[in-house]
Parts: sequence; structure tokens; C-alpha cells
Amino acid sequence: SYVLTQPPSVSVAPGQTARITCGGNNIGSKSVHWYQQKPGQAPVLVVYDDGDRPSGIPERFSGSNSGSTATLTISRVEAGDEADYYCQVWDSSSDHVVFGGGTKLTVL
Amino acid sequence: EVQLLESGGGLVQPGGSLRLSCAASGFTFSSYAMSWVRQAPGKGLEWVSVISNSGGTTFYADSVKGRFTISRDNSKDTLYLQMNSLRVEDTAVYHCAKAWAVAGRLDSWGQGTLVTVSS
Repeated sequence: SYVLTQPPSVSVAPGQTARITCGGNNIGSKSVHWYQQKPGQAPVLVVYDDGDRPSGIPERFSGSNSGSTATLTISRVEAGDEADYYCQVWDSSSDHVVFGGGTKLTVL
Repeated sequence: EVQLLESGGGLVQPGGSLRLSCAASGFTFSSYAMSWVRQAPGKGLEWVSVISNSGGTTFYADSVKGRFTISRDNSKDTLYLQMNSLRVEDTAVYHCAKAWAVAGRLDSWGQGTLVTVSS
């Protein structure tokens, strides 16, 4: 089965740039979606199809995807960005939705 | 505004059954695929199942295949998850989510309903 690998945690100071990676075999050939989940809340889609943003999501959130790694980039990080972030793809070989293990973003 | 409201969770013994519901509003329910995603306490997101807009296509995670059944009633704007032969490891908050397509992004999520499997 297809596996997505994320670092368990990323720390960044306010105002700096956070980069959260999502590794997978030839992930560059798939569409990657990213979700933000704050404690006690439902996940929220923040980036879809590698780098598009839903309406209402700040331009500070962006994404890229190439080769074996997809990346969610959060510019000018704010305290309110502290959350768990999950990447997700569709694995067409198994007809399964696949989530990464999640990355906890800590704002120092 | 899209709203998804799950219900039907609760405490059930191992081997028991439960049916979850997800009432949808704020969008044309019959036009979109729908998915169930669960999250065990303190753990990450785990996809459970997806159903096409018509209900004619369904897929399941290996961990629930043969025990869970996803279905929908487009006349009632409601999604269901019938869970049989429940195991302790099925304990989780179950979220329903609106899907852009069966293979697409999950663009709106409900708050979830807690299912606890314990003797």
C-alpha cells in the first residue's frame, strides 16, 4: 500500500517560514492535499491539488510537489498557525485515500 | 454555508453494531461524493470509506472492509456508516467529509461523533 511520510514535528519562530514535507514514492505524479487541524476541531483544507488555496485561506499558505516530496510552506508564521498538518493523496492502485501521519507545527 | 452534522456515536461492546449518520446542508448533496474519516484518541487521521455521488461506487480501507458499509440517501441529504463486528481498535471520532470527487480532496468536514468500543 502507498505510504506518505511526514516529520512528526516542526518548530518555527513567529514571522519565519515553516516548511512541512510529505514524502511518497513518485508523489510528484499525484495531486496532494493539505489539512490543518487545531485541537478539538475538525480538519480544514488549506491547500489542494499541490498548490491551490480554497477561498478564505491566507496567501501565506502555499504548496509544491515534485519527485518524491510534496511541501506545504507557511510564510510569516503566526501563533494561530500552531496545529497538526496532514498531507493526503488518492492511491489509484488500491482505490484508497491515504493520509500522512501528521506534523505538529509549534510556533516558538 | 456547508454544514455536516454527524450523529449516532456512543459506547458499544466488542462485536456489536452501530450506525452513524451525517446530515448535510448548504450544498447540493446529490452532486458530491462523501467520505468517512476517523481519528483514534491522540492519533492521526485514518480514512475509512468513500461513496460516489450516486452511491454506485464505494471503496473501503482494508481495516474495515467486510465489516463497515457506507451508504447515502440523496432524498434526505444524509450519509450513513453501518458498523458491524466492532473492535476495540475502532474506537475513534468519526468525521464525515464532503469530497470533490471519489478520488478528490475533502473540502468540508463535520465535527465528528465519538465511537467507543469497550467491554
